[in-house]
Formats: sequence, structure tokens, C-alpha cells
Amino acid sequence: DAGVIQSPRHEVTEMGQEVTLRCKPISGHNSLFWYRQTMMRGLELLIYFNNNVPIDDSGMPEDRFSAKMPNASFSTLKIQPSEPRDSAVYFCASSSTQEAVSYEQYFGPGTRLTVT
Amino acid sequence: AQKVTQAQTEISVVEKEDVTLDCVYETRDTTYYLFWYKQPPSGELVFLIRRNSFDEQNEISGRYSWNFQKSTSSFNFTITASQVVDSAVYFCALRGTISGGYNKLIFGAGTRLAVHP
Repeated sequence: DAGVIQSPRHEVTEMGQEVTLRCKPISGHNSLFWYRQTMMRGLELLIYFNNNVPIDDSGMPEDRFSAKMPNASFSTLKIQPSEPRDSAVYFCASSSTQEAVSYEQYFGPGTRLTVT
Repeated sequence: AQKVTQAQTEISVVEKEDVTLDCVYETRDTTYYLFWYKQPPSGELVFLIRRNSFDEQNEISGRYSWNFQKSTSSFNFTITASQVVDSAVYFCALRGTISGGYNKLIFGAGTRLAVHP
């Protein structure tokens, strides 16, 4: 079975540019999560979708970050404009939620973002 | 508040040694779930185990074993006869059912394990 798919795997961009990260969850999973991992802050949850609806976006750093999930098989995380402090590894994860309880999350390989 | 503490930042062992990674958690939920994930040098996060708060039985999977003790709020992970391929960062995580939202995973800071030949 295919796991969580993320693209691109690596992204290098200049400050001020728009960055779009993409995620395809595991088929049949109805919960999707975006995380950011840095040395200083560890793993942080940015936003969580359930059945394509954003449930908790309290971790989104600021208005420069936005996330969408137009359908059950695709999500994007956009940063506009990007800044050097956004440099991190961004992970997408998915899980199956039944009756408001979801279990283990399966992570994609991550996108390593470098903003110069 | 929910919190996961992995006090060991880095552990270094020689191959074939046993090693235990500690995890202590805090939660006010009566029902909660604990997880361990492995992050090898390649960077992906690999799910290892899930344990719910009602199941305190220890679990063994090959060279891996987990010791869950509610009395001490700990969920420790032991690797027996460690191998170089076990070198990775290991994360313990907690998910409650009421506080912190149904599906929010709270991760510890991780323990970096280095197994030397």
C-alpha cells in the first residue's frame, strides 16, 4: 500500500517567494495533519483536518501560512511570503478517525524547506 | 495540560548492548494513548507502537519491548541486543481524548540513540 506522499522532497527558495507543499494521505484515511520540525522547537502540529475540514489551526504560526484540503486525497500548505525562519522539515501525516477517535498517525517522508 | 518528557537527550551504546529509552507523561485525561515513533537518519517518522491507558500489559516485538506503568506515568522502550540499524531519534508521544483535542499528538523532544559497532 502506498504511504503518505509528499512533494517536493526538497525546496530551496528565496525570501519573499511563495512556497507550496503538497500531500496525498493514505487512501481511506480521513484525518490529515501538517507538522513542522526544527532543531529549536522539535515537532510542532500546525493544522489538523478531519473529513477535509480544518479542526485545529492553532499551531499555524501566522497569516503567512495557509492550508487547504479540497478533497480527501490532497492537501496543500502554502507560505506566502516565505522567510528564512520558515526553514524546516514539514511533515504531513494521516490517520483513520472513527467516532471522533483516531489512532496512530502515519507520516510522509517530509519536505525539507530552505529559505535563503 | 499534557506533556511528554524524554529526559535522555542522547544515548550512545555499543552493538549488542541493551538500552532503555525513558518516557514520562502528564495528562488529566482518564483515557489516553501513548505512542513511540522512530526517526532514522533518512528523516522519515516511523510508527512503532500504540498503547491505550487501559492496557498496562507490557509488549514485546522482536528485540523491542515496552513497559507501560500508569503508577509512575511512564512508557519506557527497551531495545535488546542493539544493532547499528537501531541508530535513530526516538519520539514518545501522547494523545488525550478530552484536553488538548481529540487528535492532537503531543511529542517529547526525542532521544537520539547512537549504536556503535
